[in-house]
Amino acid sequence: GAGVSQSPRYKVAKRGQDVALRCDPISGHVSLFWYQQALGQGPEFLTYFQNEAQLDKSGLPSDRFFAERPEGSVSTLKIQRTQQEDSAVYLCASSLAGTSRGNEQFFGPGTRLTVL
Amino acid sequence: DQQVKQNSPSLSVQEGRISILNCDYTNSMFDYFLWYKKYPAEGPTFLISISSIKDKNEDGRFTVFLNKSAKHLSLHIVPSQPGDSAVYFCVSGAGSYQLTFGKGTKLSVIP
Repeated sequence: GAGVSQSPRYKVAKRGQDVALRCDPISGHVSLFWYQQALGQGPEFLTYFQNEAQLDKSGLPSDRFFAERPEGSVSTLKIQRTQQEDSAVYLCASSLAGTSRGNEQFFGPGTRLTVL
Repeated sequence: DQQVKQNSPSLSVQEGRISILNCDYTNSMFDYFLWYKKYPAEGPTFLISISSIKDKNEDGRFTVFLNKSAKHLSLHIVPSQPGDSAVYFCVSGAGSYQLTFGKGTKLSVIP
């Protein structure tokens, strides 16, 4: 079956532009996560959805970052007025269960965002 | 403040030998630990996990050891194969879903 897919794979934006990054989780997966991976770092948690409900957005770095999952499936991460420090790989992950401790998260290939 | 530390950015090992990847953590609230593997241009994939109530978990060529008193875990790969060449992330979890990643160790297995 298909894994987690993300689009676009690469995005170049001029500083100040808005961008939207899409994530298609594995069908039937309840939980969806967004991570930000800066160069030379590990992924860092941004936000978590259980179905359509955004249960945790504690990792979003500023109010320019907004995520949604309106129908409990596809999710979009939007970044408004992009800054150079937003340049990173944005990873989406999904998992089958709800808040099951240690439940495996399946990652997409990521979207590499470069802000000029 | 890095809560999960992988102090070796890279490691080279001869094919057939043992690879040992190390990880230290600082947060006593972490109660489960995972290793994820990442190939270039792909997302991380789950490799093996261990609960804090255990000190060892084995899955084929991969074994994870946990020393809670030292807040240290390690991943052993025996025997190492060229296909194991990847970046390995040490990951810690507390509560139901939040994962904290280390910076990763790039393993190169030389044929």
